[in-house]
Amino acid sequence: RKEVEQDPGPFNVPEGATVAFNCTYSNSASQSFFWYRQDCRKEPKLLMSVYSSGNEDGRFTAQLNRASQYISLLIRDSKLSDSATYLCVVNDEGKLIFGQGTELSVKP
Amino acid sequence: DTGVSQDPRHKITKRGQNVTFRCDPISEHNRLYWYRQTLGQGPEFLTYFQNEAQLEKSRLLSDRFSAERPKGSFSTLEIQRTEQGDSAMYLCASLRPGELFFGEGSRLTVL
Repeated sequence: RKEVEQDPGPFNVPEGATVAFNCTYSNSASQSFFWYRQDCRKEPKLLMSVYSSGNEDGRFTAQLNRASQYISLLIRDSKLSDSATYLCVVNDEGKLIFGQGTELSVKP
Repeated sequence: DTGVSQDPRHKITKRGQNVTFRCDPISEHNRLYWYRQTLGQGPEFLTYFQNEAQLEKSRLLSDRFSAERPKGSFSTLEIQRTEQGDSAMYLCASLRPGELFFGEGSRLTVL
């Protein structure tokens, strides 16, 4: 089993749609969690950290379910500029492990 | 500009040759990570350092790969006897608590 798993997509959605991504992790001792965004041919950049109580940043909401070992990212009112690959990242006792990424394409 | 620089940006080499990549992290960041990324995949963890100490190396990494960070500042990643399967983007990142800052990567093509 992979340490961090994501649905690779692609997710093709119209502008204004709400879209959700999930990510599961295998090590229950994992300490912290993040979502990164990667544009085509660019390096990954931090989108948001994921806190135990869930957290929101504008149109983006991240949640953590430790019991089921998954994290999620919800994007509301999606924009064309949201088109990218979304990577979940798990801090596995110091190692920062990336999922394979979920590709999102937002269409007009 | 994230402040992490990698060199060279592109490297084309013949199978069997050795290659070395260099990473200069953000100066105040103690942790430095190396990843490999191929098309359609997320960054694959290779190794990481706390200052000059190499804390962990991926079990997937063969003995042909070695990394150093001799003075706790810049780091090098060497691949010996390159194979076509080594063709990938090699990413370096330095860590501020809660956030990895990536360089633009070194793209390796093995012919």
